[in-house]
Amino acid sequence: AQSVTQLGSHVSVSEGALVLLRCNYSSSVPPYLFWYVQYPNQGLQLLLKYTTGATLVKGINGFEAEFKKSETSFHLTKPSAHMSDAAEYFCAVTMISNFGNEKLTFGNGTRLTFIP
Amino acid sequence: DTGVSQNPRHKITKRGQNVTFRCDPISEHNRLYWYRQTLGQGPEFLTYFQNEAQLEKSRLLSDRFSAERPKGSFSTLEIQRTEQGDSAMYLCASSLEIASYNSYEQYFGPGTRLTVT
Repeated sequence: AQSVTQLGSHVSVSEGALVLLRCNYSSSVPPYLFWYVQYPNQGLQLLLKYTTGATLVKGINGFEAEFKKSETSFHLTKPSAHMSDAAEYFCAVTMISNFGNEKLTFGNGTRLTFIP
Repeated sequence: DTGVSQNPRHKITKRGQNVTFRCDPISEHNRLYWYRQTLGQGPEFLTYFQNEAQLEKSRLLSDRFSAERPKGSFSTLEIQRTEQGDSAMYLCASSLEIASYNSYEQYFGPGTRLTVT
């Protein structure tokens, strides 16, 4: 079985500050890892993914994440946050199940807000 | 490429009524997924289609739920005899996998928010 834990359901930062959203996973096989963003009343948009290869992956909107197998982590960072980044962020893991089903298992999400 | 669309966007129904949601995936995508998202939680997998074949269903999908994907294009999710616990956002996602390429990327629609009163 696979699972995802996002530490901190709510993170507040000042504009221009570093953003760090934490994600730890559990998987019995090498995982594929994802970060999605969800704006209010919208679906999920893929920020970045790790499948194989380089463990530091860069995504859209200046976000990046590093896969650390020894720590079973896939934390999301952005050096300088912008007000437009206010949203809910979900970490997800998948493994290939029977019939090629790549169903995603999501964490409970972290809401990013800004301190005025 | 117009993205994944879902209709209706919102549905309010009384307990015991039947509801049906529709998902139109990205046109060439052969895989389609349904997820359910309740308040404060991440989406949870419900069911998966490869072309027209429904290949996996979650234990979350009780007998009151049925999904179809005729001809491997759009999909419908029907809930019979709705209960208040069915209130949630229902998300559809699609992806493309062919023999020589797999992006492992699922594209999500905007969701259908169901409220059962």
